[in-house]
Amino acid sequence: GQSLEQPSEVTAVEGAIVQINCTYQTSGFYGLSWYQQHDGGAPTFLSYNALDGLEETGRFSSFLSRSDSYGYLLLQELQMKDSASYFCAVRSRNTPLVFGKGTRLSVIA
Amino acid sequence: NAGVTQTPKFRVLKTGQSMTLLCAQDMNHEYMYWYRQDPGMGLRLIHYSVGEGTTAKGEVPDGYNVSRLKKQNFLLGLESAAPSQTSVYFCASSNPGQGANEQYFGPGTRLTVT
Repeated sequence: GQSLEQPSEVTAVEGAIVQINCTYQTSGFYGLSWYQQHDGGAPTFLSYNALDGLEETGRFSSFLSRSDSYGYLLLQELQMKDSASYFCAVRSRNTPLVFGKGTRLSVIA
Repeated sequence: NAGVTQTPKFRVLKTGQSMTLLCAQDMNHEYMYWYRQDPGMGLRLIHYSVGEGTTAKGEVPDGYNVSRLKKQNFLLGLESAAPSQTSVYFCASSNPGQGANEQYFGPGTRLTVT
């Protein structure tokens, strides 16, 4: 089977940098995705890593280490609107995405 | 483009009643998915479809049935609702292959079973 671990809650200060970690166990790994979900809203896609390294999209970056079965989402210059839940999701051979339980990020002034 | 739409947005059922949730997408996506989301549990896949006329079971399929008669629609049925099926239901769609990592979600249906 597949399993993902990510912290349940993270709090960070506006303007700071925060890193949300995700470790996974799976066979036939294809890639790691990240999604954002605001309270009462639908999940929205943020990023996808298939290869080792850092992918940058504006204030958000995502990192993957396939050998360590580990990835993280990095949010820079935090804004209040970044308060949301963040989900990592892994895709493996012949299976659709499997989501982690989510990390609730609270940005405080 | 409307993207992914879901009907209804809210519903209250009594135990034993049946209902169908409708999902529609206008992005010509091959793949469609139904998830349920419960507090602290993340998104769990119920059923999915990789094309018109095909369906497959996900992580939590029991108590649900699905049909994909048209490419743009994916129906989720509850034949005999139970309180354990109280949840928020999300439909999603995507392209195949690597595109399956980027799913587009509908706004959700909040279902309460009493």
